[in-house]
Amino acid sequence: AQSVTQLDSHVSVSEGTPVLLRCNYSSSYSPSLFWYVQHPNKGLQLLLKYTSAATLVKGINGFEAEFKKSETSFHLTKPSAHMSDAAEYFCVVSSGGSYIPTFGRGTSLIVHP
Amino acid sequence: GAGVSQTPSNKVTEKGKYVELRCDPISGHTALYWYRQSLGQGPEFLIYFQGTGAADDSGLPNDRFFAVRPEGSVSTLKIQRTERGDSAVYLCASSLGVSGDFFSYNEQFFGPGTRLTVL
Repeated sequence: AQSVTQLDSHVSVSEGTPVLLRCNYSSSYSPSLFWYVQHPNKGLQLLLKYTSAATLVKGINGFEAEFKKSETSFHLTKPSAHMSDAAEYFCVVSSGGSYIPTFGRGTSLIVHP
Repeated sequence: GAGVSQTPSNKVTEKGKYVELRCDPISGHTALYWYRQSLGQGPEFLIYFQGTGAADDSGLPNDRFFAVRPEGSVSTLKIQRTERGDSAVYLCASSLGVSGDFFSYNEQFFGPGTRLTVL
């Protein structure tokens, strides 16, 4: 069984300040973890993924995430928010070599000028 | 190059009607997924194709839902006797799918979705 919990439904930051989007997962097997971004009226886009290699994963647009097994977390961070980062972000888990992913409910990132 | 396309972008229908939603994957992608996304929720897996065959349809909610991919490219999601609870955005994604662990090792490319509204 696998599940994912995104701890915040909305996160609001000012442009230029750090971003933290929190994700906790549950998995019976070694998980693969992903973050996807969804801009309005656009398809979901892969930001980054963890598949049991380095625990600190760097993605596109300056985002990164750290896999912490002891905390069952995979939080997404960015040092400095940009207006174009405003979107919906989804944490996703796929475990045991499964091809069926489980998406979190999403976190809406709001960036203020 | 062209990405994943879905038609129509919006579909409004009446309760009890039949609808078809189309997905055109990226050329050469052998794996194709359908998801359903309700308001305020993340995408929910429906069915996965590898080539022409449905490798896993365990996410289809009931027998009113059916999907085909006859030539291993375009796929159609079919919903019979639509209900108001079927209203959602239906997403399609494709990937290369050349190895066994499709989701983890093959990036999925998503289409923009079809917004289905059942009145």
